[in-house]
Amino acid sequence: EPEVTQTPSHQVTQMGQEVILRCVPISNHLYFYWYRQILGQKVEFLVSFYNNEISEKSEIFDDQFSVERPDGSNFTLKIRSTKLEDSAMYFCASAGGNNQPQHFGDGTRLSIL
Amino acid sequence: DQQVKQNSPSLSVQEGRISILNCDYTNSMFDYFLWYKKYPAEGPTFLISISSIKDKNEDGRFTVFLNKSAKHLSLHIVPSQPGDSAVYFCAARTSGGYQKVTFGIGTKLQVIP
Repeated sequence: EPEVTQTPSHQVTQMGQEVILRCVPISNHLYFYWYRQILGQKVEFLVSFYNNEISEKSEIFDDQFSVERPDGSNFTLKIRSTKLEDSAMYFCASAGGNNQPQHFGDGTRLSIL
Repeated sequence: DQQVKQNSPSLSVQEGRISILNCDYTNSMFDYFLWYKKYPAEGPTFLISISSIKDKNEDGRFTVFLNKSAKHLSLHIVPSQPGDSAVYFCAARTSGGYQKVTFGIGTKLQVIP
């Protein structure tokens, strides 16, 4: 069964540094998402992306965050200047259509020191 | 933000018995509901969904029931198996938009052999 793959599985970064989290969505999917889960809390929506542009974003997704689909397969989340509170699991998801369930990757654990 | 609530943090069930996981929601705009299962170190895996026009959806051992008037849904697993031991997330979304999904905090199910 096709999978969403995320790299790296664990990223350790100094506070204030930029970080890029990478995702390869399922190949024929058109809708892409980033979520995060802070330890002990809910999975929270960050952003959705369709047709090469952001379609919706949460209040968490401020100017420090950006997303990009640089080629036909990758979908990235960039945090420009990381803060301690950015430490979390970041999940990428993709969906084939508007009425299709989202399929998640196994996440990247981001640790900010 | 408590739009999707799972009030039971954990549940233990004997193998072969029924597992019932409950979920309440407050946003009356939600019209599509999903259950995800999550094993440690993995991303959420889609399990089953239900549209607000239905009150029941069944897929093998898994059945989801929706009571719109009570804003309540439940997931039944029959018979429960040790491999079902995982965290189960209730999730919901509204129609339109780009499928932003709102998650509950999860219920940890343990199926005892």
